[in-house]
Amino acid sequence: QKEVEQDPGPLSVPEGAIVSLNCTYSNSAFQYFMWYRQYSRKGPELLMYTYSSGNKEDGRFTAQVDKSSKYISLFIRDSQPSDSATYLCAMSENPNDYKLSFGAGTTVTVRA
Amino acid sequence: GAVVSQHPSRVICKSGTSVKIECRSLDFQATTMFWYRQFPKQSLMLMATSNEGSKATYEQGVEKDKFLINHASLTLSTLTVTSAHPEDSSFYICSASGLAGGKVGAEQFFGPGTRLTVL
Repeated sequence: QKEVEQDPGPLSVPEGAIVSLNCTYSNSAFQYFMWYRQYSRKGPELLMYTYSSGNKEDGRFTAQVDKSSKYISLFIRDSQPSDSATYLCAMSENPNDYKLSFGAGTTVTVRA
Repeated sequence: GAVVSQHPSRVICKSGTSVKIECRSLDFQATTMFWYRQFPKQSLMLMATSNEGSKATYEQGVEKDKFLINHASLTLSTLTVTSAHPEDSSFYICSASGLAGGKVGAEQFFGPGTRLTVL
C-alpha cells in the first residue's frame, strides 16, 4: 500500500465549475499537509498548506484536512483555464521535515 | 518567490554514458538541495538530500555510486547519472530550501525538471 494515494485522473471540467481533489494517507503521524500545482514542463509550486485538521481558504482555493479519516481535499471554485495543471498533495510529520511524501498528482483540465 | 533553475531541460544520451544535471538557486542561498525522480503518473520520489559542503544523504534503494551528487556552493548542486541505462530514463527534479520567510519552515522551491531519455 502506498503511503499517500491520489487518483491521477485526468479530470476535465467546464470553466466556472468547482474542482474537487483529494488524497488519502496511511501514516497517522502526518500533521502538515500541502498542495502543489505543477504546470506542464515546470516544477511544482506550493499552493496551500494546512496544519492538522480543519479548513483553510485562500481566494478560490479551499484546503480541508480530516485526520480522523486520513483524508485531505482541495477545492477550486470558479475554475479557470489557467487552473489546468497537475495538482500534487504532499505531507510531512513536522514543518521542518524535508522528507515530504507526495501523491501521484491529479491532472486537471478546465475547458473554456 | 525564490527561483530555482535546472539545466539541461531535456537530454537524450546513449546507454553507458554519463549525464550531468545542474540545479541552481538564482536569488537565494540554498543550504539544502534535494533531488527527486518522477516516473509518468507516479509520485515524486526523493532520491537524495544534499547540504552545502557535505556528502549527500541517499534514500534507501538509491545507488550512491550511480547517482553522484555534488553541492559545492550555496547556489549549485549537480546530479551525475553515471553509466546511464534505459531504465534510468525519467524526469529528474531538484528543489532547494534555506530561504527564510517561506510559507512553511522548510519550504522547498522546485526547479523545472530535466527529462532524461537513455537510448
